[in-house]
Amino acid sequence: AQTVTQSQPEMSVQEAETVTLSCTYDTSESDYYLFWYKQPPSRQMILVIRQEAYKQQNATENRFSVNFQKAAKSFSLKISDSQLGDAAMYFCAYRSVSGGGADGLTFGKGTHLIIQP
Amino acid sequence: DVKVTQSSRYLVKRTGEKVFLECVQDMDHENMFWYRQDPGLGLRLIYFSYDVKMKEKGDIPEGYSVSREKKERFSLILESASTNQTSMYLCASSLVPRGSEAFFGQGTRLTVV
Repeated sequence: AQTVTQSQPEMSVQEAETVTLSCTYDTSESDYYLFWYKQPPSRQMILVIRQEAYKQQNATENRFSVNFQKAAKSFSLKISDSQLGDAAMYFCAYRSVSGGGADGLTFGKGTHLIIQP
Repeated sequence: DVKVTQSSRYLVKRTGEKVFLECVQDMDHENMFWYRQDPGLGLRLIYFSYDVKMKEKGDIPEGYSVSREKKERFSLILESASTNQTSMYLCASSLVPRGSEAFFGQGTRLTVV
């Protein structure tokens, strides 16, 4: 079974600075998808960014980018120019391509990001 | 905009009660999911459905069942609620392709007393 590990329960960053959230995963598969979701205090989970494992180019969405290291099974999220609205729980998630059995996303335990004004 | 609606944001039930959590999505998604979210544990998959009347157990199905009689509606059932089922429950839906974004409801915070 796949596992996703987020080793930072909480991170704090000054507004306008850059922060990197870590995520590692364990899988024996060669093709899969990785996601970062954001959950603000409203509890609404929102997709931040996604990465296909067979694509070498790191995904980017405006101020959000990932550093995907397939061999190291690492998928970190970089937030540039942090804003107060970025304060939230961030979850790293994995989804198998091959499927079968329980077929949802496998989530990490989350990182609580605090933005200091 | 995709909308996933959960019937209650907060629910308080007594031990032993049968509890129904309802979820409706309006974008004709084939896949629907129920997750449980607990502090320090992240989200854990309870059940998954990929079509009407089809369901698959997730990582923690014990004590739960599900029903999907219509494509847009996916219900989570606690047959006999227990205090250890006090938690946040999140419903989600997505299209079939594996890389598809999952859209989430706003969650139901269930307290079993």
